[in-house]
Amino acid sequence: DAGITQSPRYKITETGRQVTLMCHQTWSHSYMFWYRQDLGHGLRLIYYSAAADITDKGEVPDGYVVSRSKTENFPLTLESATRSQTSVYFCASRPKLSEREPDTQYFGPGTRLTVL
Amino acid sequence: AQSVTQLGSHVSVSEGALVLLRCNYSSSVPPYLFWYVQYPNQGLQLLLKYTTGATLVKGINGFEAEFKKSETSFHLTKPSAHMSDAAEYFCAVSESTGRRALTFGSGTRLQVQP
Repeated sequence: DAGITQSPRYKITETGRQVTLMCHQTWSHSYMFWYRQDLGHGLRLIYYSAAADITDKGEVPDGYVVSRSKTENFPLTLESATRSQTSVYFCASRPKLSEREPDTQYFGPGTRLTVL
Repeated sequence: AQSVTQLGSHVSVSEGALVLLRCNYSSSVPPYLFWYVQYPNQGLQLLLKYTTGATLVKGINGFEAEFKKSETSFHLTKPSAHMSDAAEYFCAVSESTGRRALTFGSGTRLQVQP
């Protein structure tokens, strides 16, 4: 049972480049989330998705785009990377209400992104 | 809107001593409360959670937390610290309905001295 995986684990890119971070979960969880972790801020919600083809903004969505064509995948794209987007990005998922433990989010290992 | 405040960005204790990590929250609706632990270069692992029912909740690795509505607190404790407890700890709150996204505190780094 692989759970929730993220790729790449580490990425260095340059200002202005497009970069996509991948997230894949094997549980068929309905909800998926993207957070960024910055020193002194904890984790902040970027985008979330309630199901395939249903996405919505979180607390800090500017500069990011998401899609969810399949339940198991939730890629996050930085269309034109900026230095302020240097961060550690975490993907998470949770079941829907009718399933067991609907309130628990499970986190991937994270992607450390550096924008030069 | 919800928010979480974790008092103390760094806490240092001796091995065998009591661990107390403080968390206060604000929420306009009944909250769900969580403590997550993050070891270096790893993702977040759920330690324990409060949703409904008993206000004293026990989690993994000997940790427990008590939901005190009157104090809007959810402090994390462990009677006796172990070297392996050294990590960063995050308190989080979510709504009890809807998307249930987590709002995190800024984290507390726990150091355990031998």
